[in-house]
Amino acid sequence: LAKTTQPISMDSYEGQEVNITCSHNNIATNDYITWYQQFPSQGPRFIIQGYKTKVTNEVASLFIPADRKSSTLSLPRVSLSDTAVYYCLVGDEGYSTLTFGKGTMLLVSP
Amino acid sequence: DVKVTQSSRYLVKRTGEKVFLECVQDMDHENMFWYRQDPGLGLRLIYFSYDVKMKEKGDIPEGYSVSREKKERFSLILESASTNQTSMYLCASSSGGNGVQYFGPGTRLLVL
Repeated sequence: LAKTTQPISMDSYEGQEVNITCSHNNIATNDYITWYQQFPSQGPRFIIQGYKTKVTNEVASLFIPADRKSSTLSLPRVSLSDTAVYYCLVGDEGYSTLTFGKGTMLLVSP
Repeated sequence: DVKVTQSSRYLVKRTGEKVFLECVQDMDHENMFWYRQDPGLGLRLIYFSYDVKMKEKGDIPEGYSVSREKKERFSLILESASTNQTSMYLCASSSGGNGVQYFGPGTRLLVL
């Protein structure tokens, strides 16, 4: 089972870049890495997904080193509305190894 | 937009009651999931289903069962609710292997 480890919390200020790292030492060959964002009283929402190297979309970038034992979610120029819990998910097509991390609470201050 | 709905936002039940949590998705997704979320523990997978009438146990299936009679609907059943099942329950669906999961708003269940 690919267990994931994330920092419990992070603090930042508006306009800064935030990098959240997830460790997944036992990631399997077929596992993908997916990040979700969750606001209070809502279900998690998809941010970005990757398998290796770097992936970028309109809201974030995901950096995955060659050994794939970790991944880093990068949020450019955060705003107050980015205050949320961020989850790292590692899993494969069979879903039998789906594992969410415990989440990182990001607090963005003015 | 994909929509995943859950039958209740809040539920209060008594110990020993049978509890049904319903989840419906409108995007013809093959896969559906039930998670529970507790402070400090993140999301933990209870059961998932990859087709009608098919189900697989997740990390914490004890005390729960599921039913998927139609593709769009996935039910979580607590046969005899206990206080340690007080939690937030989240349903999700996805269209295939490694597909993005779309979550419902959650049901906050309190068992007294």
